[in-house]
Amino acid sequence: NAGVTQTPKFQVLKTGQSMTLQCAQDMNHNSMYWYRQDPGMGLRLIYYSASEGTTDKGEVPNGYNVSRLNKREFSLRLESAAPSQTSVYFCASSRQGNTEAFFGQGTRLTVV
Amino acid sequence: EDQVTQSPEALRLQEGESSSLNCSYTVSGLRGLFWYRQDPGKGPEFLFTLYSAGEEKEKERLKATLTKKESFLHITAPKPEDSATYLCAVQALYTGGFKTIFGAGTRLFVKA
Repeated sequence: NAGVTQTPKFQVLKTGQSMTLQCAQDMNHNSMYWYRQDPGMGLRLIYYSASEGTTDKGEVPNGYNVSRLNKREFSLRLESAAPSQTSVYFCASSRQGNTEAFFGQGTRLTVV
Repeated sequence: EDQVTQSPEALRLQEGESSSLNCSYTVSGLRGLFWYRQDPGKGPEFLFTLYSAGEEKEKERLKATLTKKESFLHITAPKPEDSATYLCAVQALYTGGFKTIFGAGTRLFVKA
């Protein structure tokens, strides 16, 4: 009963470095999401995948790319990290786009 | 502009002291309203979904209600383990589909 698993849990990057956040779900959900959470703000959607083979931009996609590798896995890539991308990143999945979401434990990313 | 506002930002209660958290929203075409609980260092955990005005859902000491403009999360006789951040998310109709908007959350502290 792993649910949604994210790796890594913590990461420190230097400005300009790249990295990929990994996410996998074992609930056979169709939809997957990447959010960022900043102090005093609600969760903001970066990208989502309504179903395997599709991806769409959310509210704050600039500086990020995603890949829906298969039904289980959805990765988020930062090509050239910037201090403004310091945040906590959550991956989530849902059975369909209009049902409740299940979240991973989060990745705390610091860009220096 | 679609907006979700939660109040208060923080709430401190004594054990057993009942209270309510508010989530007010201005969206066009509400499809559903979700409540989540988030513990420090963890991802949000789903609590309830409400779909129409007048609907109510209960779980242990929590009861969620919905009107056309807001939702309340009532906490009856809270215990210290109810301390967490409670997030509200509204799903609204949007060109080409729908979108989910999260509020910034209410941090609840329950003292024994």
